[in-house]
Amino acid sequence: EPEVTQTPSHQVTQMGQEVILRCVPISNHLYFYWYRQILGQKVEFLVSFYNNEISEKSEIFDDQFSVERPDGSNFTLKIRSTKLEDSAMYFCASSEYETSGDNEQFFGPGTRLTVL
Amino acid sequence: DQQVKQNSPSLSVQEGRISILNCDYTNSMFDYFLWYKKYPAEGPTFLISISSIKDKNEDGRFTVFLNKSAKHLSLHIVPSQPGDSAVYFCAASSGGYQKVTFGTGTKLQVIP
Repeated sequence: EPEVTQTPSHQVTQMGQEVILRCVPISNHLYFYWYRQILGQKVEFLVSFYNNEISEKSEIFDDQFSVERPDGSNFTLKIRSTKLEDSAMYFCASSEYETSGDNEQFFGPGTRLTVL
Repeated sequence: DQQVKQNSPSLSVQEGRISILNCDYTNSMFDYFLWYKKYPAEGPTFLISISSIKDKNEDGRFTVFLNKSAKHLSLHIVPSQPGDSAVYFCAASSGGYQKVTFGTGTKLQVIP
């Protein structure tokens, strides 16, 4: 069964450093997403991406964040100048169509980001 | 911003009995609702969904009920099995938007 994969599973970085989280969505999916879950809190939407551009973003997704689909398979989240409060699980998701009807989002296993 | 609320952080149920997980929402623009299951160290896994034009959707042991007037939905699992033990997230979205808003989750423990 096709699945969303994410690398690395755990990333440790120093405050102020840049990190890139990588995702490989399901191959025939067209919509891509990033979510995060701070420990003990709910899963929060960050951004959605379609047709090589951001289609929606939350207030969390400020200028320190960017997303890119550098090739036909990868989808990346870059966090510039990481802060302590960026420590969280980051989930990538993809869907074949926009989320409605039966077109649910499929989530990857997540990358745990720890900012020291 | 608690547009989707799950007021019970945890629930324990005996194996074979019914598990009922509840969810309330405040945004009347939501027209599509989903339940996700999450095991530790894994991403959320889609379980079942319901469109706002329906009041019930059933898939095997899982049934979701939607009460639009009360802005309330519930997930019924019957019979509950130990493998159902996980955190269950209620989520919602609006037509034309990809953003899915999650609740805080309910940790279900099914006791053998």
